[in-house]
Amino acid sequence: DAGVTQSPTHLIKTRGQHVTLRCSPISGHKSVSWYQQVLGQGPQFIFQYYEKEERGRGNFPDRFSARQFPNYSSELNVNALLLGDSALYLCASSLDNEQFFGPGTRLTVL
Amino acid sequence: AQSVSQHNHHVILSEAASLELGCNYSYGGTVNLFWYVQYPGQHLQLLLKYFSGDPLVKGIKGFEAEFIKSKFSFNLRKPSVQWSDTAEYFCAVFLEGGSQGNLIFGKGTKLSVKP
Repeated sequence: DAGVTQSPTHLIKTRGQHVTLRCSPISGHKSVSWYQQVLGQGPQFIFQYYEKEERGRGNFPDRFSARQFPNYSSELNVNALLLGDSALYLCASSLDNEQFFGPGTRLTVL
Repeated sequence: AQSVSQHNHHVILSEAASLELGCNYSYGGTVNLFWYVQYPGQHLQLLLKYFSGDPLVKGIKGFEAEFIKSKFSFNLRKPSVQWSDTAEYFCAVFLEGGSQGNLIFGKGTKLSVKP
């Protein structure tokens, strides 16, 4: 069975640009969460979506947005990129209270 | 604000040594507790979880953890580590009543096992 997949694996952007990250959950999972993991820190919650609706939002600025599609895949969008947005962005899909993580997208902002 | 503390940033052990990684959380309500592991170059994987019942939970690869409610702790243990246990370990908490997808993670503990 395929796990959570994310694309792209790596991305390099410059300050002020916009980025879109994509996530496909495990088949049958209807909930997707996004986390940001800065080097040396644990993952920090950004958003959760369930059945295409936002169910939770972490302490991130409005430059961060997300959506979920009818097939339960999800996009995370970040506008006006800052150097501090450089991080590993993790997607997790969940069934009940257990989350399954994808490999992440490594975003570097120059 | 709720938080999770992992006291050890980097632990170095020899093979066959015993392991205990500390985890404390700050929240007075009901919690679900998790330990995740991230092997070099791989994604986060669930080691074990506690929702309710027996406070001593057993996970994969010989790991176990004990929930001590009075100490707000959920320490991870393994009696005898192997070189293949070299990885980063994250404690995480889900707050009952919170967003289901919202896990609060500690900063992680890097474990290096010398062969």
